[in-house]
Amino acid sequence: ILNVEQSPQSLHVQEGDSTNFTCSFPSSNFYALHWYRWETAKSPEALFVMTLNGDEKKKGRISATLNTKEGYSYLYIKGSQPEDSATYLCAPGFQKLVFGTGTRLLVSP
Amino acid sequence: SAVISQKPSRDICQRGTSLTIQCQVDSQVTMMFWYRQQPGQSLTLIATANQGSEATYESGFVIDKFPISRPNLTFSTLTVSNMSPEDSSIYLCSVAGTADQETQYFGPGTRLLVL
Repeated sequence: ILNVEQSPQSLHVQEGDSTNFTCSFPSSNFYALHWYRWETAKSPEALFVMTLNGDEKKKGRISATLNTKEGYSYLYIKGSQPEDSATYLCAPGFQKLVFGTGTRLLVSP
Repeated sequence: SAVISQKPSRDICQRGTSLTIQCQVDSQVTMMFWYRQQPGQSLTLIATANQGSEATYESGFVIDKFPISRPNLTFSTLTVSNMSPEDSSIYLCSVAGTADQETQYFGPGTRLLVL
């Protein structure tokens, strides 16, 4: 059973702050690492799918890095906005995803 | 990406009853999955819905409790049978196997409360 850990569990920042979260996963038998953004009452939104060690992906103010050898990924948000408030989930795997418990981000105006 | 809808969006049910959740996709997809998130827990895979054959269940989930149908490549149902308060969760369907092979897309979820 994969053990996927995300930290911190929750985070409260002010508008304009930059922040980052961590996802740790077993490095053996790695295939891909998925990041999702999940707002209450909405569908989880796919942010990134990362497969290569050292890979870095960017989508607007959000970026992510991947280290498959040591089993971790960082998600960065630059200049947080209130609309960034959501739970951010990571999941290693292919099709059968194993999710962490997520980082709940609250951005105050 | 795929557009996925689920019905109902939420429900409150009495223990001992059953609820069937529907998942509809706007295009044909290879893979469909059912997940649940119990309060305070991570999103957990229940089963893979296979078109034309029995679903493949993950450890801890059985067909008698969570029967699944998938009559075609755009539709699936999950039934939560003989419900208890422990079944109170968000149930989500997801799909893979669209043009973007690696990304899995999720429906908006069904919020179930069992009294």
